[in-house]
Amino acid sequence: ILNVEQSPQSLHVQEGDSTNFTCSFPSSNFYALHWYRWETAKSPEALFVMTLNGDEKKKGRISATLNTKEGYSYLYIKGSQPEDSATYLCAPYSGYSTLTFGKGTMLLVSP
Amino acid sequence: KAGVTQTPRYLIKTRGQQVTLSCSPISGHRSVSWYQQTPGQGLQFLFEYFSETQRNKGNFPGRFSGRQFSNSRSEMNVSTLELGDSALYLCASSASGTGGDFYNEQFFGPGTRLTVL
Repeated sequence: ILNVEQSPQSLHVQEGDSTNFTCSFPSSNFYALHWYRWETAKSPEALFVMTLNGDEKKKGRISATLNTKEGYSYLYIKGSQPEDSATYLCAPYSGYSTLTFGKGTMLLVSP
Repeated sequence: KAGVTQTPRYLIKTRGQQVTLSCSPISGHRSVSWYQQTPGQGLQFLFEYFSETQRNKGNFPGRFSGRQFSNSRSEMNVSTLELGDSALYLCASSASGTGGDFYNEQFFGPGTRLTVL
């Protein structure tokens, strides 16, 4: 079982604030790192799949970076909006087993 | 393409009963995984089925079992329900293993909310 740590556990910001969260995972046997967004009353949805050290992905105001050598990924949200309120999950994939999800970072953006 | 569907969406059972949950994957996906989500615990992996065979298993007691049919639909069964089994059960399908996905991206259903009284 992989040890996946996400921090902070929860975050409350004001609309327009920029924020970032961290996902730490074992750097050995790394194959890919997934980020998911899980809005209340909906299903988790994939945001990014990251595979290469130094990878940077962007979708609108959300971006993510990956460091496979030290085993961490950062997720950034620029100018947070209330619709960004969700739980953000990361899940490393070792290539031969299944995804192991972290407990997530719960983001609340107030208007 | 239709998404992952799960039935029923809500279920109330009493301790000692058993329950069966159903999951229909995205057409063409042969991998189906099941997860349990309880407050403060995140998504806990139960098991994964691929082509009717259990390919991976999480750390859950034997009361939790599953199966997959030839059309890739999957069922999960929990016998002798306990209060602690109250949770949201999510299933997810993936094109992993079919050549359509190398990174095991999971597509989630809406979940079944199980309450054990």
